[in-house]
Amino acid sequence: GAGVSQSPSNKVTEKGKDVELRCDPISGHTALYWYRQSLGQGLEFLIYFQGNSAPDKSGLPSDRFSAERTGGSVSTLTIQRTQQEDSAVYLCASRFQGGAGAYNEQFFGPGTRLTVL
Amino acid sequence: AQTVTQSQPEMSVQEAETVTLSCTYDTSESDYYLFWYKQPPSRQMILVIRQEAYKQQNATENRFSVNFQKAAKSFSLKISDSQLGDAAMYFCAYRSANGLGANSKLTFGKGITLSVRP
Repeated sequence: GAGVSQSPSNKVTEKGKDVELRCDPISGHTALYWYRQSLGQGLEFLIYFQGNSAPDKSGLPSDRFSAERTGGSVSTLTIQRTQQEDSAVYLCASRFQGGAGAYNEQFFGPGTRLTVL
Repeated sequence: AQTVTQSQPEMSVQEAETVTLSCTYDTSESDYYLFWYKQPPSRQMILVIRQEAYKQQNATENRFSVNFQKAAKSFSLKISDSQLGDAAMYFCAYRSANGLGANSKLTFGKGITLSVRP
């Protein structure tokens, strides 16, 4: 079946502009994560969605970052007034949410490379 | 909070040889998962191997095996018979076993770039 897809693959923008990054999770996966991968850094957790519940935004670096998930499926990460330090690869992952003790793999999309000039 | 440390930024191995990638972590939890992910230039994160902390036996997947030392909080990846296709970034990652909500997120190290010499 289809994996996690993300669009666009690459995005170049000017400082101060807003950008939207899209993630289509695997069908049936209720858990969705956004991570940021800055140059020379590991992946940094940004936000978590579970179904239609309120998201966990504890990883968002500033109030310029926001995300939504419509209908428990597609998610959009929005960065307002982009800064050069926002340049990074933004990765989305989805997972089938089992019980508390259940292990279910996170499947990653190919990411969006954002470059802020 | 949990942390994952990969102190080697780069490594190189001759094709067909064996290489070991190091990872240490810090946690106060007793039950958790540890992972190694591969990220080729395509950026697609691929799960290489998983280890459950409650299992004493080291996980193996074909040419990939781990050395899990729970007391030392060490989790290294051994790649045997290295192939050109193994060249990629490798990330060590941690996840709480009682992962409800955002506790199911992965905590990653900074990664190591592995090159394979023909």
